[in-house]
Amino acid sequence: AQSVTQLDSQVPVFEEAPVELRCNYSSSVSVYLFWYVQYPNQGLQLLLKYLSGSTLVKGINGFEAEFNKSQTSFHLRKPSVHISDTAEYFCAVRGGGADGLTFGKGTHLIIQP
Amino acid sequence: DAGVIQSPRHEVTEMGQEVTLRCKPISGHNSLFWYRQTMMRGLELLIYFNNNVPIDDSGMPEDRFSAKMPNASFSTLKIQPSEPRDSAVYFCASSASGGAGPEQFFGPGTRLTVL
Repeated sequence: AQSVTQLDSQVPVFEEAPVELRCNYSSSVSVYLFWYVQYPNQGLQLLLKYLSGSTLVKGINGFEAEFNKSQTSFHLRKPSVHISDTAEYFCAVRGGGADGLTFGKGTHLIIQP
Repeated sequence: DAGVIQSPRHEVTEMGQEVTLRCKPISGHNSLFWYRQTMMRGLELLIYFNNNVPIDDSGMPEDRFSAKMPNASFSTLKIQPSEPRDSAVYFCASSASGGAGPEQFFGPGTRLTVL
């Protein structure tokens, strides 16, 4: 069985400051890792994904994440946030094969002017 | 290109009524997933199909829930009878196999309110 833990339910940060959203996972098999963003009253949009290879992956809107196998983490970072980044961010894991996604509880990123 | 299409976008119904949610996956995708999002439980997988065949329905909460995929371009999630605790946002997602990668593309969701 797989599980995902997002340690922070809410992260306030000032505009133009850096941010890190934390994600830890547990799985008995090799996994694919994802970060999705959900804007208010909208569906989920893929930010970035880790499938294999380089542990640093870059996504849309200036976000990046680093896969750390030894720490079973996949933290999301952005060097300078904008007010438009205010949203809910979900970390998700998917096992090999056509499995569904297991999501974390989400982190609400709040950008303060 | 059209993404995943869901209908209706909003549904308000009374307890005991039948509710049918609809999904059209992205053309060419062979896996389809139904998720439910609530404040209490977050996002949870209900059921998924591969090549129109249900693979894992262990997330379906009760016998009141059923899902079908009669062809590659259409799926339904039915709740009969509906209850207030079924109120949630229901998402459909699709993905392609092989070299296209395992990421899932989500529809806009159906917000269901059962009174």
